[in-house]
Amino acid sequence: QQPVQSPQAVILREGEDAVINCSSSKALYSVHWYRQKHGEAPVFLMILLKGGEQKGHDKISASFNEKKQQSSLYLTASQLSYSGTYFCAVGGSQGNLIFGKGTKLSVKP
Amino acid sequence: DGGITQSPKYLFRKEGQNVTLSCEQNLNHDAMYWYRQDPGQGLRLIYYSQIVNDFQKGDIAEGYSVSREKKESFPLTVTSAQKNPTAFYLCASSLYSYNNEQFFGPGTRLTVL
Repeated sequence: QQPVQSPQAVILREGEDAVINCSSSKALYSVHWYRQKHGEAPVFLMILLKGGEQKGHDKISASFNEKKQQSSLYLTASQLSYSGTYFCAVGGSQGNLIFGKGTKLSVKP
Repeated sequence: DGGITQSPKYLFRKEGQNVTLSCEQNLNHDAMYWYRQDPGQGLRLIYYSQIVNDFQKGDIAEGYSVSREKKESFPLTVTSAQKNPTAFYLCASSLYSYNNEQFFGPGTRLTVL
């Protein structure tokens, strides 16, 4: 039931774009995105809900395809501060979250 | 300032000892969670609580125990039954348990010597 993220790692130059994908083997009702810097706690970015409601971070966008059971996180014109590990998480049956293994993003000057 | 605190930041334990990790929140959140993170892995759910005096096992509850006697507090005990307890432990809370962003504490890094 753990969502699968791709790619596992990506290296960018400042100003480049990146897409991180998250797919699930079961029906999705919500997808959460978090970013974690090394040694720190994860920080919430955004949540996407079935039916199209979207909240979250104004510098980063995401899509949610219910039919394909996928979500994608779009980072445009990346900045050094975007570096970290990005996790998607899907809602479990009892309100808990199930996290993917993460995508490590490195932005170089 | 509202937030979640975890203590201690680093913890060392000898094999065979139980140890309790603290988690306190002043956000007035109903739901609280404990996760374990190993290098290169995502977060795996140990226990969660949606309301005071109630909690449920997550995916990897064996060797761990929790209590939720107060809304603000959700301590985790790592018992000697946990085979490989060395890991980074994260506590989180959310206003409700469904479709709500989770706020994480700074984490406790536990090392078994």
